[in-house]
Amino acid sequence: AQSVTQLGSHVSVSEGALVLLRCNYSSSVPPYLFWYVQYPNQGLQLLLKYTTGATLVKGINGFEAEFKKSETSFHLTKPSAHMSDAAEYFCAVSEPSGNTPLVFGKGTRLSVIA
Amino acid sequence: NAGVTQTPKFRVLKTGQSMTLLCAQDMNHEYMYWYRQDPGMGLRLIHYSVGEGTTAKGEVPDGYNVSRLKKQNFLLGLESAAPSQTSVYFCASRKTGGNNQPQHFGDGTRLSIL
Repeated sequence: AQSVTQLGSHVSVSEGALVLLRCNYSSSVPPYLFWYVQYPNQGLQLLLKYTTGATLVKGINGFEAEFKKSETSFHLTKPSAHMSDAAEYFCAVSEPSGNTPLVFGKGTRLSVIA
Repeated sequence: NAGVTQTPKFRVLKTGQSMTLLCAQDMNHEYMYWYRQDPGMGLRLIHYSVGEGTTAKGEVPDGYNVSRLKKQNFLLGLESAAPSQTSVYFCASRKTGGNNQPQHFGDGTRLSIL
């Protein structure tokens, strides 16, 4: 069975600092990986995804993530945090075939301090 | 293009009452999902559907029923509401083409059971 672990339920950074949100997964086959963002009182929006090919994936709002098979990780980064990045971030994993639904991590709340 | 629309946005119920949450999508998506979001628990899948007339259980199906009579609608029912079902409920949909297709989310229904 697949699972996702997001290290740190709450991360706080200063405006302009590096953002690093950690995600590790467990899967018996190379998975598809996703990062979603949730702003207050809204649903989730896709930030980026990895399926195949290049392991460094760029997403919206300056975020990127790198798939590292050897570390079973898919950490999300952004070089310089903006106040508008404050939100909850979810990592999710899916098997590449079949109708198996997405499995979500428990989320990391990002706070950005002025 | 409205995307995924959830009705109602807020609701307060008394224990034992019943209600139906409606999810409608206008993207002609085959797959639809119902999740609940609770603090510190991330998103947990309640039920999902891979096409009109089909439904399947997710991680936490007890106490809920669903129906997908029309492709664009996915209904979530609570037959006898319990305080443990107080949560934020999200509907999502995605198109066919593989598990690399992202899910599109509604803005949620905030449900309180007294």
